[in-house]
Amino acid sequence: KNQVEQSPQSLIILEGKNCTLQCNYTVSPFSNLRWYKQDTGRGPVSLTIMTFSENTKSNGRYTATLDADTKQSSLHITASQLSDSASYICVVSASNDYKLSFGAGTTVTVRA
Amino acid sequence: DAGITQSPRYKITETGRQVTLMCHQTWSHSYMFWYRQDLGHGLRLIYYSAAADITDKGEVPDGYVVSRSKTENFPLTLESATRSQTSVYFCASSRYRLYEQYFGPGTRLTVT
Repeated sequence: KNQVEQSPQSLIILEGKNCTLQCNYTVSPFSNLRWYKQDTGRGPVSLTIMTFSENTKSNGRYTATLDADTKQSSLHITASQLSDSASYICVVSASNDYKLSFGAGTTVTVRA
Repeated sequence: DAGITQSPRYKITETGRQVTLMCHQTWSHSYMFWYRQDLGHGLRLIYYSAAADITDKGEVPDGYVVSRSKTENFPLTLESATRSQTSVYFCASSRYRLYEQYFGPGTRLTVT
């Protein structure tokens, strides 16, 4: 069964600090991996998407990495802002299926 | 550009009642999806549709019915609501099968 595991479940950081979120997956055959940001009370919004051949993808202060050999991805948030407080969801697609495999998400709280 | 909308945003209903959640998208995307999101779980697929008049079950379809007579609309009906269907429901759409899914704002449903 295709699975996506995220860690930590939640974290609290001070404004201006950096943090890294982890995603491990067993989805096969791999097609692409996305990181979504979900603000409280809203739907998820895509931050980055990476295919097999991409190791790093940036979107402003968000940088995602992918190691397709170890089936691991990370999302690094640089110089965090209060608006970064949200749930971050790792989503993996298999090339032979329409369905997406969702992680349970990491809740990030940024404090002033 | 309205994008993807859901209605109602909040709904409280009683056990045994029929409830319909609406989803509308303005992009003419072929694919539309219904998910539920519960604490401790990732988003779980209820039903999806590849085109008008084509629907199929997802991971957790029991107790739900969908239809898609028009490309832009994808209503989800709970024929006889149960407390276990208390959840936040998200509709999503994508242009092609493995392309990015765009999520609506969600409907918070409480079944008493």
